[in-house]
Amino acid sequence: DAGITQSPRYKITETGRQVTLMCHQTWSHSYMFWYRQDLGHGLRLIYYSAAADITDKGEVPDGYVVSRSKTENFPLTLESATRSQTSVYFCASSPGTSVQTQYFGPGTRLLVL
Amino acid sequence: RKEVEQDPGPFNVPEGATVAFNCTYSNSASQSFFWYRQDCRKEPKLLMSVYSSGNEDGRFTAQLNRASQYISLLIRDSKLSDSATYLCVVRDTGRRALTFGSGTRLQVQP
Repeated sequence: DAGITQSPRYKITETGRQVTLMCHQTWSHSYMFWYRQDLGHGLRLIYYSAAADITDKGEVPDGYVVSRSKTENFPLTLESATRSQTSVYFCASSPGTSVQTQYFGPGTRLLVL
Repeated sequence: RKEVEQDPGPFNVPEGATVAFNCTYSNSASQSFFWYRQDCRKEPKLLMSVYSSGNEDGRFTAQLNRASQYISLLIRDSKLSDSATYLCVVRDTGRRALTFGSGTRLQVQP
């Protein structure tokens, strides 16, 4: 089916472990984004990408790594998970000509113990 | 100070009521403005863009006041299905990413 998907939908891990959250879109949108959502903070931008092999930091990039070798995929890696990274992570995409219309994936709920 | 500020609510209103949400933004260079809707435990979805002249989409009316750096959303004839969190969103000049407010929760009661 067309759209934007995230996996896993739920993840429990321990501090210090590496975790990768996957994001896949089928629209060939050039822009992709990773946000985290925490109570009281709204959605905060972690990283974004304007095209394959082009990525840039957002508001809260520390502790995260991204890559974009293919237009349709934008994985987010937590190199060494910390409890403060417990959050809901949303991936989004948008066509280059209409960046305001961001389409969000269903989210990944991550718990770091 | 947060870039985009909203009253978190909750706003508890009866069906059929009119309710208004406000939002202020700190960057006078902000260029584009939107309202997104987020249902409980779901992803945000675009509700409507906000234009300087004000705009309407059915029961929803959005207003922008650039001088006061203030955005509003008015919902008329509230439905139970309007219960959600409403996110105020801005995009600054030269930036591709969006900045989200923390959201205002609306609960429409029968």
